[in-house]
Amino acid sequence: EDKVVQSPLSLVVHEGDTVTLNCSYEVTNFRSLLWYKQEKKAPTFLFMLTSSGIEKKSGRLSSILDKKELFSILNITATQTGDSAIYLCAVTAQAGTALIFGKGTTLSVSS
Amino acid sequence: NAGVMQNPRHLVRRRGQEARLRCSPMKGHSHVYWYRQLPEEGLKFMVYLQKENIIDESGMPKERFSAEFPKEGPSILRIQQVVRGDSAAYFCASSGDRSYEQYFGPGTRLTVT
Repeated sequence: EDKVVQSPLSLVVHEGDTVTLNCSYEVTNFRSLLWYKQEKKAPTFLFMLTSSGIEKKSGRLSSILDKKELFSILNITATQTGDSAIYLCAVTAQAGTALIFGKGTTLSVSS
Repeated sequence: NAGVMQNPRHLVRRRGQEARLRCSPMKGHSHVYWYRQLPEEGLKFMVYLQKENIIDESGMPKERFSAEFPKEGPSILRIQQVVRGDSAAYFCASSGDRSYEQYFGPGTRLTVT
């Protein structure tokens, strides 16, 4: 059965800290891995990764995929209170198919 | 450029009633996906539709749930004879042709009393 496992399930840090969120997966015919940020509303798209070893970066957030070891990490540097959210990892087998989600990592950033 | 729209945002139904959830995809998108998020659970896929066609309904419960995406108008997720276990957040996502990226709407929070 296809599955996505995220760790840790929750994390509390202070503003300015750097955090690393983990996502491992087992899926048949893997094609891409996606990261989303969910606050009290819609999951917001962050990154999509399809190639191993290529870092995607957007401001203080970055992510990388290791297709050999079947995992991805999401890094957030110099965290801010606005980074507090649930971070979701999802994988898909091909375009136009369902996303398989992990349970998410709840990040709390205190000031 | 409006994003994915869902309505209503909150819906309260008594056991046995019907719930209708609507989703309008992002402009230019013709692929719609419905997901359900139960408390303390991740998002679970329910159904994938293109205009007038159900492509994959492997995540839909066999009874009481149905979905459509007509030629004109929004996609509808319909739950008949709701039970307390149907209480959840229901999210719709859309994507363009040959795209892996799915963009989510704000969700409909269904509460069954």
